[in-house]
Amino acid sequence: DTAVSQTPKYLVTQMGNDKSIKCEQNLGHDTMYWYKQDSKKFLKIMFSYNNKELIINETVPNRFSPKSPDKAHLNLHINSLELGDSAVYFCASSQDMGAWDYGYTFGSGTRLTVV
Amino acid sequence: DQQVKQNSPSLSVQEGRISILNCDYTNSMFDYFLWYKKYPAEGPTFLISISSIKDKNEDGRFTVFLNKSAKHLSLHIVPSQPGDSAVYFCAATISNFGNEKLTFGTGTRLTIIP
Repeated sequence: DTAVSQTPKYLVTQMGNDKSIKCEQNLGHDTMYWYKQDSKKFLKIMFSYNNKELIINETVPNRFSPKSPDKAHLNLHINSLELGDSAVYFCASSQDMGAWDYGYTFGSGTRLTVV
Repeated sequence: DQQVKQNSPSLSVQEGRISILNCDYTNSMFDYFLWYKKYPAEGPTFLISISSIKDKNEDGRFTVFLNKSAKHLSLHIVPSQPGDSAVYFCAATISNFGNEKLTFGTGTRLTIIP
């Protein structure tokens, strides 16, 4: 059973389109995250949610909107896609915000390519 | 401003020998450090962590050393195995901050030579 699953795994779309990436975790964790890995392989946090409440919102364009319908799901919607949005997006979860002895559990990533 | 740095993008080690991966950080407020391993087309997998109140933590073949005065940590893998070939990310956080987040380095690609 996949602990953190993201769909789709690959997404190719044209500039200006709107797209969504879905994430679900079956670990019973309270906190979920979105991270972006850019072309330089730099993993950077975008958002975190704790029990459906937004906790972290880094300096991300407001074209990116996370939605957490329940604590097992954290979806990422992106409006008006731009070339610079091309990256790998990782969803992750953790038991709570301070569980550093266990770290995060990551999904396998969604490779977004904007053409 | 990259607060966590892994200055070696790649490292090759003979099977059975020790692999040493290094990480430096600039933010003296970081008090928890983690190592992740990543295979291609997969997400990072948590390996081991260390709190700043310790200078060493080990789990099986993996040992992490922390030198707070030098703002440096290292991951030792002994003995190295072919399955250890992957990209290793160092990460750091300021715990008890209320909105903890992990700051990652850019990774070191480890290749174990059979």
